[in-house]
Amino acid sequence: GNSVTQMEGPVTLSEEAFLTINCTYTATGYPSLFWYVQYPGEGLQLLLKATKADDKGSNKGFEATYRKETTSFHLEKGSVQVSDSAVYFCALEEGNNNDMRFGAGTRLTVKP
Amino acid sequence: ETGVTQSPTHLIKTRGQQVTLRCSSQSGHNTVSWYQQALGQGPQFIFQYYREEENGRGNFPPRFSGLQFPNYSSELNVNALELDDSALYLCASSPPSGQSTNVLTFGAGSRLTVL
Repeated sequence: GNSVTQMEGPVTLSEEAFLTINCTYTATGYPSLFWYVQYPGEGLQLLLKATKADDKGSNKGFEATYRKETTSFHLEKGSVQVSDSAVYFCALEEGNNNDMRFGAGTRLTVKP
Repeated sequence: ETGVTQSPTHLIKTRGQQVTLRCSSQSGHNTVSWYQQALGQGPQFIFQYYREEENGRGNFPPRFSGLQFPNYSSELNVNALELDDSALYLCASSPPSGQSTNVLTFGAGSRLTVL
């Protein structure tokens, strides 16, 4: 079945460091791919998405490119801030029934 | 616009009891999905409701059931609670098909502890 595997955390970085959180997926067809972020005490928020191969999703300085050849959707940010500290979830959806499959999440802590 | 609101935020039950969790969808959204997020894990899809009917279900037993009301709000009911049901239950709403497809708006969740 469809699934997502993402880099285990926790990840601790200093402010302005470069961030990569790896995500790979398994799917039978052509899923849409997402990154969601969960700040402490809050629900998940959509960070970015890509709906087809080679699409790049971007938002708030974060980027991820849908790579069909490597079945990957790695999240990157060039310069992280303390306010980026949160748990990041990679997810996929195939079809439009909102059966979103999430990875286990990667906790990011950014220190000043 | 108001977001997705869930109640209660926290609750404690004992094994064998029943629980009802509530969710108000975001304005303009007609579809509601429920997810279970165990500690340290990603959310797992329970089911989705559209037009007051179940429209897709994940790998959860029948003791997990739901309702959707004409105003698109929803309830999640869990019977015969087990210790492993302890989790954060997330509700997510989404707009009508054709508008920003695949975009879920999540509530902050209801944290259930089963003792």
